Amino acid sequence: QSALTQPASVSGSPGQSITISCAGTSSDIGYYNYVSWYQQYPGKAPKLIIYGVTNRPSGVSSRFSASKSGSTASLTISGLQAEDEAHYYCCSYTHSDTRVFGGGTQLTVL
Amino acid sequence: QVQLVESGGGVFQPGRSLRLSCAASGFTFSSYAMHWVRQAPGKGLEWVALISYDGSYEYYTDSVKGRFTISRDNSKDTLFLQMNTLRPEDTAVYFCAGDWDWSFDLWGRGTLVTVSS
Repeated sequence: QSALTQPASVSGSPGQSITISCAGTSSDIGYYNYVSWYQQYPGKAPKLIIYGVTNRPSGVSSRFSASKSGSTASLTISGLQAEDEAHYYCCSYTHSDTRVFGGGTQLTVL
Repeated sequence: QVQLVESGGGVFQPGRSLRLSCAASGFTFSSYAMHWVRQAPGKGLEWVALISYDGSYEYYTDSVKGRFTISRDNSKDTLFLQMNTLRPEDTAVYFCAGDWDWSFDLWGRGTLVTVSS
């Protein structure tokens, strides 16, 4: 049950686009289309922003998009805004109905 | 409105036991698989355990197998986590979360468990 691999930090200027990668294995991301992404502000509960690799829940901005290639998933945030500054976590379904998170990425809006 | 409220956290000595609760409201609790997810201070999220919507099966992360037990009472819309033989590395905020389409759709605010002598 090794954690998925995310960059510790990414940054971008307002209006720009950034992409956060999430590397897994053939036992999780590479096998199942059940990758989800979460946004978390300090001291708050995480919020689901992407499920099923590419799907946005109702109410989540269309500036958030995601994809998967092989064993790596990616989250893209376009038109960066100050309010996007937060931690982002990927998560994948894995064997035996367990789950595994990435280590998290701190997004800084410059 | 849809709500999950955790309780039962506090400061506990290593080796002791405690039970966390998560009270659900505003949705059909008995239709949802439920999870516990934890976050150590300043660290990332860690999945802990899953229980099916009807309690017929459970799964755990390796580090808590044999020590933690997830359970639910659908008649009371409540999820539990029995935590035995506590270790300092169990110190974390514990969140309960509802499962939707193999993702964590609903989250509580969390309850802090500190294991320290």
